[in-house]
Amino acid sequence: DTGVSQDPRHKITKRGQNVTFRCDPISEHNRLYWYRQTLGQGPEFLTYFQNEAQLEKSRLLSDRFSAERPKGSFSTLEIQRTEQGDSAMYLCASSSNGGEGNMFSGANVLTFGAGSRLTVL
Amino acid sequence: SQQGEEDPQALSIQEGENATMNCSYKTSINNLQWYRQNSGRGLVHLILIRSNEREKHSGRLRVTLDTSKKSSSLLITASRAADTASYFCATDPTSGTYKYIFGTGTRLKVLA
Repeated sequence: DTGVSQDPRHKITKRGQNVTFRCDPISEHNRLYWYRQTLGQGPEFLTYFQNEAQLEKSRLLSDRFSAERPKGSFSTLEIQRTEQGDSAMYLCASSSNGGEGNMFSGANVLTFGAGSRLTVL
Repeated sequence: SQQGEEDPQALSIQEGENATMNCSYKTSINNLQWYRQNSGRGLVHLILIRSNEREKHSGRLRVTLDTSKKSSSLLITASRAADTASYFCATDPTSGTYKYIFGTGTRLKVLA
């Protein structure tokens, strides 16, 4: 297992087109996260899955964004009708179930992929 | 939205010096982590500190956590040129959602 893989690494598209990114997490990790990062900023949470269930989605995500994780393995993030403001690095991360997340149990440590950079012209 | 704010935003030091960066956050947390990001690449986990811990060490890294002030600091001792990167704190809020909220980052430059 070589870590978290993301594809494509770079996508250039014209405004209005649809794009899809794929993330292959570490195989034994049941949690998968998508973040978006713009230049000079920290990663911004988009959504996360536990197995195949999408447990939370940021209010920042418009209806043009959708993510899936069929069978709890790889995940796809689709952006429909792209806008120039969608240009960013899209980061995927995975983690194992570290317990209940409270201070007395195990904790998530995120393993990130290299990211997929989207440029919307 | 960003949970954490790192300070300073940018830091430039000479090789061999220590680098200190601070993180402030807004809500109660289970734990806080620090990540490093080299230019144009993914983030790498450095160290985790739980809310019931006050200080933690890992190699040249020292992390402190003050939950009463909702702040953390990361100290890198004897810095090297290879430490040049952006450093982010990430918090796991006690709201139970398991999502990590990242700060705005400190861009560290270590001059050889």
